Amino acid sequence: GAVVSQHPSRVICKSGTSVKIECRSLDFQATTMFWYRQFPKQSLMLMATSNEGSKATYEQGVEKDKFLINHASLTLSTLTVTSAHPEDSSFYICSASSGAGFAEAFFGQGTRLTVV
Amino acid sequence: AQSVTQLDSHVSVSEGTPVLLRCNYSSSYSPSLFWYVQHPNKGLQLLLKYTSAATLVKGINGFEAEFKKSETSFHLTKPSAHMSDAAEYFCVVSEGGGYNKLIFGAGTRLAVHP
Repeated sequence: GAVVSQHPSRVICKSGTSVKIECRSLDFQATTMFWYRQFPKQSLMLMATSNEGSKATYEQGVEKDKFLINHASLTLSTLTVTSAHPEDSSFYICSASSGAGFAEAFFGQGTRLTVV
Repeated sequence: AQSVTQLDSHVSVSEGTPVLLRCNYSSSYSPSLFWYVQHPNKGLQLLLKYTSAATLVKGINGFEAEFKKSETSFHLTKPSAHMSDAAEYFCVVSEGGGYNKLIFGAGTRLAVHP
C-alpha cells in the first residue's frame, strides 16, 4: 500500500505553547486528508476532513481555532494544536486518500502529544 | 447516524486456534464496512472491506469477514491464530461513503498465547 508519514511520532510541550504535526503522503497525491484523535483505551474519533487548497471541515465539537489544519499541497497536511493544555494530550492520527475519500485512505503511524 | 458496536473489548486465544472478533453495525442504508488492525506504535492497516459486492470478504493475513444484513453483523474470523496477530482490531463503518467520515468501533484487543 501507499505510505503516509507522520512527524513527529512523539512530542512533549509545555502548557500554553503550540505544536505542529505534519502528515505527508510519500508516494501519491492526497486530495483528501483526515485527522483523528484517539484517547487512551478508546477508539479513534474523526476531528476534521481537509481537501487540498480549501478550508477543512470540522466535526461537531472540535474547536477549529484550537486545532488549525492546513492542506496547502497534495502531499502535506498539518495540524497545529494552539495554546495546548494537558487535556489536549492524546494520540493524533492522520490518513490520506487520493480520490476525495473514495480511494483507500492510508494511515500515518500517529503522533503521541503530551502537554505538561 | 451510523454506528458500530464491537461486542468484545478483549479476546484471548491460543496459537493455532480460530479467531472470532464480533461486530454489529447500525445503518439506514447499505453500508461500507471495514476492519482495521493497529499494532503497537504503528499506523492502522486495512484488513478488508465490504462495499456491497460479495458478502464474504477475504482480506490480508488469512482474515475474512461475512456481511450478514439480517443480523446487521460483520464478524471477523481467521481459522488459525498466529502470534503476530496480537493487536488491536477496529470495525469501521463509513458515514460519508468510501473512506469519508469513518466511524470506528471501540476496538477489540486480541491476545494470542503460545
